Formats: sequence, C-alpha cells, structure tokens
Amino acid sequence: DVKVTQSSRYLVKRTGEKVFLECVQDMDHENMFWYRQDPGLGLRLIYFSYDVKMKEKGDIPEGYSVSREKKERFSLILESASTNQTSMYLCASSRAGPAGLWQYFGPGTRLTVT
Amino acid sequence: DAKTTQPTSMDCAEGRAANLPCNHSTISGNEYVYWYRQIHSQGPQYIIHGLKNNETNEMASLIITEDRKSSTLILPHATLRDTAVYYCIVRPSPNDYKLSFGAGTTVTVRA
Repeated sequence: DVKVTQSSRYLVKRTGEKVFLECVQDMDHENMFWYRQDPGLGLRLIYFSYDVKMKEKGDIPEGYSVSREKKERFSLILESASTNQTSMYLCASSRAGPAGLWQYFGPGTRLTVT
Repeated sequence: DAKTTQPTSMDCAEGRAANLPCNHSTISGNEYVYWYRQIHSQGPQYIIHGLKNNETNEMASLIITEDRKSSTLILPHATLRDTAVYYCIVRPSPNDYKLSFGAGTTVTVRA
C-alpha cells in the first residue's frame, strides 16, 4: 500500500521558533509537495520539488523554506514561526510526467504557533 | 484555469448511489477533470480523473457530458466511510501539478 508519512500529527510551537516538518514517501515518486489548508482559504501550495535538490515556489512561499536531500524525503522549514502560520500542513507526492497527475497525501500536521 | 461549481452539501442513504455534480462551463479542450475527497482530519485522497470519456475505477465512476461543461461523480454503493468533502478540480495541463481546492461538496452518508 502506498504511503506518505509526516513526522507529527500535532505540533505546538512558540513564536520565533524554528520549525521542521518532515515528509517521507515510499513510492519512489519524483514529485513532492507541501501545502497548507485553512478554513475558507482551501488548499494552497507552498513549495514543490520535482527532483532531489530541486524546488519551485508555490503560491505562498514567504516565511517557508524546503529541503530535499534524498528522493524519499521532503522537509518544510519555518525559519521563525509566526502565529499566522498556524495551519494544517499537508505533504503529497506524485510520479513525474502525465502518469503522475494525481497526488498521494499524508495525514497532515496540525501546527499551532502561540 | 477553469472554475468549478459544486453544491455545498448533500445527503445520501447508506447503500444507495451518490451522484455528485460539478459544473465547469469554461473548461477548455485540454483540461482534465479530477475528483478528490477529504475525510475529516485526514489528508485528501485522489478518486478519479477524466478528459472526455467516462471513467470507472474501484472507488467511483466519472461521467463527463459530451460538451464537457459538467460532470458527475458516482459512488455506486455509498457507505458511512464515504462521508467526506468531495472536490471537483480542473487541471489545465499535464505539467501543472498544483492542486487548488475550492469549498467542495460535503457529503453525509446516513444509515
């Protein structure tokens, strides 16, 4: 069974802390994604990676960075957490090319910044 | 990107077929229709996609009208575990990987 796992389901951090969210997929997918989901705003793409060490900004990259040193792992970093980054964070992966037009999601990390 | 319109909510009886409509009247010729769902407190789950022809897999069927301006997702025998928010999405091109969900349809399956 295909699987995308995220390091935490729930996380509480203080303003100004550096936060790491990790995502691992076991499907040998080329593409990996970080989204955030907020009530009334839907799902928004933060960053996208199509290969190891490659990344592209999504719609809302400000305040975030990413790292992909291995194919199976994609990390989202909040350099200095702020309260407006309280959200549900979702990681996803997909294959490259037309065959990878659908994405497999992890269970999500609900981050609260106080 | 083509915009999609879905009903806000719908109820369905357990064991009956659930028919979820989606309007995408501004869809262009190369845009795919995708359906995802999100069960409460879980990540979204891909269901099915199509371009012109009707599609069926183990989860659902997708019926796309001939003019492609609307589609219907059919869950043939709804179960309580199908209670979720269902999202209809139009993907502009095979190389566009960005998913963007609107409000979707909240489907409640009742025993």
